[in-house]
Amino acid sequence: NAGVTQTPKFQVLKTGQSMTLQCAQDMNHEYMSWYRQDPGMGLRLIHYSVGAGITDQGEVPNGYNVSRSTTEDFPLRLLSAAPSQTSVYFCASRGVGGTDTGELFFGEGSRLTVL
Amino acid sequence: AQSVTQLGSHVSVSEGALVLLRCNYSSSVPPYLFWYVQYPNQGLQLLLKYTSAATLVKGINGFEAEFKKSETSFHLTKPSAHMSDAAEYFCAVSDSSNTGKLIFGQGTTLQVKP
Repeated sequence: NAGVTQTPKFQVLKTGQSMTLQCAQDMNHEYMSWYRQDPGMGLRLIHYSVGAGITDQGEVPNGYNVSRSTTEDFPLRLLSAAPSQTSVYFCASRGVGGTDTGELFFGEGSRLTVL
Repeated sequence: AQSVTQLGSHVSVSEGALVLLRCNYSSSVPPYLFWYVQYPNQGLQLLLKYTSAATLVKGINGFEAEFKKSETSFHLTKPSAHMSDAAEYFCAVSDSSNTGKLIFGQGTTLQVKP
């Protein structure tokens, strides 16, 4: 049982480059989300989705785009990377309604450095 | 808007001593409350959750937390610390809607000294 899978685990970018962090889950969860983790700031919600075709902004959405074309996948795009986006990124999913246990399932994280 | 405050970014205890990690929340609706643990270079793992059933919630690894509405608190405790408990702990709040959004506190790093 894979759960939530994130790729890549590590990435170094130059300022202005673009990239996509991939996230896939095999639990048929309707809710998926992206967080960034920075020292002393906990986890901050970037974007989330409550189902295919539906996305919404979290606390810190600027500089990031998302889409949700399938239930399984929720990629996070950085169109023009900035040093302030150096962080550890976590994807997380959760069942909704009848499949909701209240628990958010996390991937192992993607560590991004922007030079 | 919901928010979570964890008092103390670092807590240090001796092995065998009581662990107490503090969490206060703000929510305009009945909340769901969670504690997650993060070991080095890993993702977050659920320790326990409160979803409006019993106010004293027992979790994994001997941890428990008590929901106190009058104090808007959800402190995490463990009677006797083990070296393996050294990690970062996050308190989180969610509303009871189906959006599933979790708002996290800043985290508390627990150090366990031999």
